[in-house]
Amino acid sequence: GAGVSQSPRYKVAKRGQDVALRCDPISGHVSLFWYQQALGQGPEFLTYFQNEAQLDKSGLPSDRFFAERPEGSVSTLKIQRTQQEDSAVYLCASSLHRDSPLHFGNGTRLTVT
Amino acid sequence: AQSVTQLGSHVSVSEGALVLLRCNYSSSVPPYLFWYVQYPNQGLQLLLKYTTGATLVKGINGFEAEFKKSETSFHLTKPSAHMSDAAEYFCAVSDLGGGATNKLIFGTGTLLAVQP
Repeated sequence: GAGVSQSPRYKVAKRGQDVALRCDPISGHVSLFWYQQALGQGPEFLTYFQNEAQLDKSGLPSDRFFAERPEGSVSTLKIQRTQQEDSAVYLCASSLHRDSPLHFGNGTRLTVT
Repeated sequence: AQSVTQLGSHVSVSEGALVLLRCNYSSSVPPYLFWYVQYPNQGLQLLLKYTTGATLVKGINGFEAEFKKSETSFHLTKPSAHMSDAAEYFCAVSDLGGGATNKLIFGTGTLLAVQP
């Protein structure tokens, strides 16, 4: 079956541009997470959805970062006025239930020039 | 607050040798512990997890890990390394044991190289 799908796979943005990163979770998965993985680092939590409700956004680094999941399936992570420090791989993960294992997508590599 | 420390950002072993990747954790609630593997330009794949019960857990590809509460450790081992094991390995903890979400806190990773 299909896994977690993320698009685009690679994104290059000029500093100051807005970007939108898409995540298609596994069908029926209730929980959805976004992580940011800087080069040579482990993934760091950004935000968590249970269905369409954003229950935890404590990891979003600034108010330039915004995530939504309006219908409880596809999620979009938006970054406004991108900065060079936003360059990273953005990983999306979903799970069937609150206590189920996470399934990760292959990520979107964002490079801000 | 929870945290994970992985000792050794780079580990190199010979093919056929023992693999030992170290992980120590800190948690204020009973920890759920995980090991993930990441191949270049790919997402993370779950190797194994500890929730409750047996402290020695077996995962995919011949890996296993032992939860030692007294040492706050969850080291990953494999008796005999294979070339295909070369990848980055991440230890993670979640606060699911405390009834919260399965939000994962990751370590900084250990890059495993396997020499022929």
